[in-house]
Amino acid sequence: ETGVTQSPTHLIKTRGQQVTLRCSSQSGHNTVSWYQQALGQGPQFIFQYYREEENGRGNFPPRFSGLQFPNYSSELNVNALELDDSALYLCASRTDEGRNSPLHFGNGTRLTVT
Amino acid sequence: AQSVTQPDIHITVSEGASLELRCNYSYGATPYLFWYVQSPGQGLQLLLKYFSGDTLVQGIKGFEAEFKRSQSSFNLRKPSVHWSDAAEYFCAVGPYGGSQGNLIFGKGTKLSVKP
Repeated sequence: ETGVTQSPTHLIKTRGQQVTLRCSSQSGHNTVSWYQQALGQGPQFIFQYYREEENGRGNFPPRFSGLQFPNYSSELNVNALELDDSALYLCASRTDEGRNSPLHFGNGTRLTVT
Repeated sequence: AQSVTQPDIHITVSEGASLELRCNYSYGATPYLFWYVQSPGQGLQLLLKYFSGDTLVQGIKGFEAEFKRSQSSFNLRKPSVHWSDAAEYFCAVGPYGGSQGNLIFGKGTKLSVKP
């Protein structure tokens, strides 16, 4: 049990639609990162939030956006869904920016775009 | 370019046999190195990490990994594999002194265990 909960577990959307994925972290986990894991691939870093501000972004277009809330929950929003957005989306959080603070991953949301 | 290569897509070992999973990285600065394990339908669990110091790192579940700077490798080992070790294993690299959040992962090695 990592203390990181993601919802929903599975989701089916149509191309062009918008989707919001949610993550609930443990109290005190001020840093949250989102990853996209396509089938047969390793996770790819989307972006990271620290105390409600984005402080790092991977090679993903602006239609991928996020929010982090004071209650240690966060959201990943994807607009104008494309077929290639079908993947497992992982949320990970940790307590601070220190190097010894491990990342705790949730079990992910499986998004299918048809 | 920063990257992580796991040369073996799928490995099958017999229960009780030893295991070594390979990982090579390309990184422009001093790296932080990690091994994660992912069971079907689950998220990633950290097995071990290397930041500095002793190049042989002990992790959970009896795993260890050795950092070899000259070979840009961070191979994962276990002396005796258990059936419950069947899963997918990911090597990852992150920036030294910076956030662990933006890790670069390899494509993973799927481990199957024969009875």
